[in-house]
Amino acid sequence: DSGVTQTPKHLITATGQRVTLRCSPRSGDLSVYWYQQSLDQGLQFLIHYYNGEERAKGNILERFSAQQFPDLHSELNLSSLELGDSALYFCASSVGTRDTGELFFGEGSRLTVL
Amino acid sequence: QKEVEQDPGPLSVPEGAIVSLNCTYSNSAFQYFMWYRQYSRKGPELLMYTYSSGNKEDGRFTAQVDKSSKYISLFIRDSQPSDSATYLCALTGGGNKLTFGTGTQLKVEL
Repeated sequence: DSGVTQTPKHLITATGQRVTLRCSPRSGDLSVYWYQQSLDQGLQFLIHYYNGEERAKGNILERFSAQQFPDLHSELNLSSLELGDSALYFCASSVGTRDTGELFFGEGSRLTVL
Repeated sequence: QKEVEQDPGPLSVPEGAIVSLNCTYSNSAFQYFMWYRQYSRKGPELLMYTYSSGNKEDGRFTAQVDKSSKYISLFIRDSQPSDSATYLCALTGGGNKLTFGTGTQLKVEL
């Protein structure tokens, strides 16, 4: 158990809908990262938050947004969903922002868009 | 061309075999190299971490980095069925914005 909690584990929704994925980082970790994992693209970095502030953006679509709250949990909002958004969404956490390499991943939220 | 290339497999080996997993990369800015292991229906977990060229050993696992060739490897000795998982290489120039390979699926058979 990595200590990172993600909910929901599974989500099935329709095109055009909006969903929110939630992540609670490990106790004491200030950084939260979101990754998308699909069969053809592998793990793609979406966004990084540190102590409530956005620190880096990757290949995140404009239809997607995220935030980190004062209690350090994070939410990833996906809107106007398309079939291609079906994927596993992982949250990961780390202690700081400059430590390198060790991310602790949750078990992921599997999103299916029909 | 992807920044990191990794053969997706699947790779099937008998128990006790030596396994070699590899990634190539194109960006010279990558300075930190990691291997993550991902079991089915789980998140990735860090297995090995290296910074410089050369070898790093941890039990049955050896990570090898050749920066001049932009080639990284993970060797697993005396492979066990419990090693069956997907192995992802991950690279970064610093910080935790990791670039992952697509992963190699490994199956170790009895």
